[in-house]
Amino acid sequence: GAGVSQSPRYKVAKRGQDVALRCDPISGHVSLFWYQQALGQGPEFLTYFQNEAQLDKSGLPSDRFFAERPEGSVSTLKIQRTQQEDSAVYLCASSGDRVYGYTFGSGTRLTVV
Amino acid sequence: AQRVTQPEKLLSVFKGAPVELKCNYSYSGSPELFWYVQYSRQRLQLLLRHISRESIKGFTADLNKGETSFHLKKPFAQEEDSAMYYCALRGQGAQKLVFGQGTRLTINP
Repeated sequence: GAGVSQSPRYKVAKRGQDVALRCDPISGHVSLFWYQQALGQGPEFLTYFQNEAQLDKSGLPSDRFFAERPEGSVSTLKIQRTQQEDSAVYLCASSGDRVYGYTFGSGTRLTVV
Repeated sequence: AQRVTQPEKLLSVFKGAPVELKCNYSYSGSPELFWYVQYSRQRLQLLLRHISRESIKGFTADLNKGETSFHLKKPFAQEEDSAMYYCALRGQGAQKLVFGQGTRLTINP
C-alpha cells in the first residue's frame, strides 16, 4: 500500500479484556516497529522486527504484551488482560532503509475502561 | 543511557518571528538525530535528519556535540508551522528511535 495502515483506529476495552492491534507496513519494508504513546508524552519503543524475526522486545512493559509478524509483513500487537495504564496510542512504523527515517501509521487509540 | 530532553512543552510565537525549539540529548557515542513533526489530525512524519544537513520548510537544525544539542530553528515562523514537534535519537548501529516528550508550537497571527 501507499502507507502504513493500522486498525482499528479506536478501541475501547473493558479492564481484563484481551485486544489485538494490527499493522500493515509499506510493502517491501523489512523493518517494523511498535511504539506506545501515552497522553502528553513522546512515543516510547516497544519492539522491533526485521522481516519475521523479533530482534528487540526490550520495550514491552510486561508479559501481557506480545507481538508477532509471522510472514514478515503484517504485524499484530496483542495485549492480554488489559489494565487502565495500557490506555495510549499505539503506533506502528516501517522502514525499508536504515538511512532514512521511519514511515509511521496513524496509530490505534486504546482506551481501557 | 540514551535520553532526549525537550525542555519546552509549549511554545508560542507570532507569525514572522524567529522560532527555536530546543532539544538536548545524552548518549555516549555518535548518535543520529532527527526531528519529527505531527500536524493536527495527521500522522507523525520526518521533518529532517542531521546527517543530511538539509533545510525543510525553512527549518534547519545543527548537531552540537559539545553541548549535546540539536535545536530546530526557523527565521520567520508561518501559521502552518503550528504542530507538535518531536526530537529523536538513534544510537550507533541501532534501529530504534528514542523520542523526547515533544513541544507544541503555536504560531499566532
